[in-house]
Amino acid sequence: AQKITQTQPGMFVQEKEAVTLDCTYDTSDPSYGLFWYKQPSSGEMIFLIYQGSYDQQNATEGRYSLNFQKARKSANLVISASQLGDSAMYFCAMRAPYAGGTSYGKLTFGQGTILTVHP
Amino acid sequence: DGGITQSPKYLFRKEGQNVTLSCEQNLNHDAMYWYRQDPGQGLRLIYYSQIVNDFQKGDIAEGYSVSREKKESFPLTVTSAQKNPTAFYLCASSIDSSYTDTQYFGPGTRLTVL
Repeated sequence: AQKITQTQPGMFVQEKEAVTLDCTYDTSDPSYGLFWYKQPSSGEMIFLIYQGSYDQQNATEGRYSLNFQKARKSANLVISASQLGDSAMYFCAMRAPYAGGTSYGKLTFGQGTILTVHP
Repeated sequence: DGGITQSPKYLFRKEGQNVTLSCEQNLNHDAMYWYRQDPGQGLRLIYYSQIVNDFQKGDIAEGYSVSREKKESFPLTVTSAQKNPTAFYLCASSIDSSYTDTQYFGPGTRLTVL
């Protein structure tokens, strides 16, 4: 079975500083994808960044980067130069070819981390 | 503009009623999904469809039903058999159901049982 763990219920950061949101995962599949989503108070889930299990380099998308440590099964999200608009809930998610039962290719989500950016 | 639309944004249901949540996408994606989110929680998969006229149960399918008659549409019916339906419902789609594929989400429907 797949599992995603986000151990930080809430994080605070000063505007313009960098912040790291932690994510660890557990799976027996050698092939998997890791995703980060942002959920502002409006509720919509916004895709941020993707890392494949076979990717050699850490993924980057603008101010977002993913610190992928495969041996430690961690996929932390780094947000550089935080902005007030970054305040939201952040979810780490994983997708594997066979997630057990009939849930082929489903996303398994962590519990989320609420990020608050202070001016 | 391509995207996923969900309607209504807010829905109120009386006990014993069935209600249907709409999800439409114009991204030409084959795969579509329904998730449920409870306060302070991550998302849980209700149903998914990899292709038209085919769908599979997810982790919490009891009390829900779906149909996939068109590629663009994947409506979810919350039946009276669902014991605790008050939640936020999110629809998603992806090009296919490969594990490398990104799922994109609609804006969600907030369902409240009165």
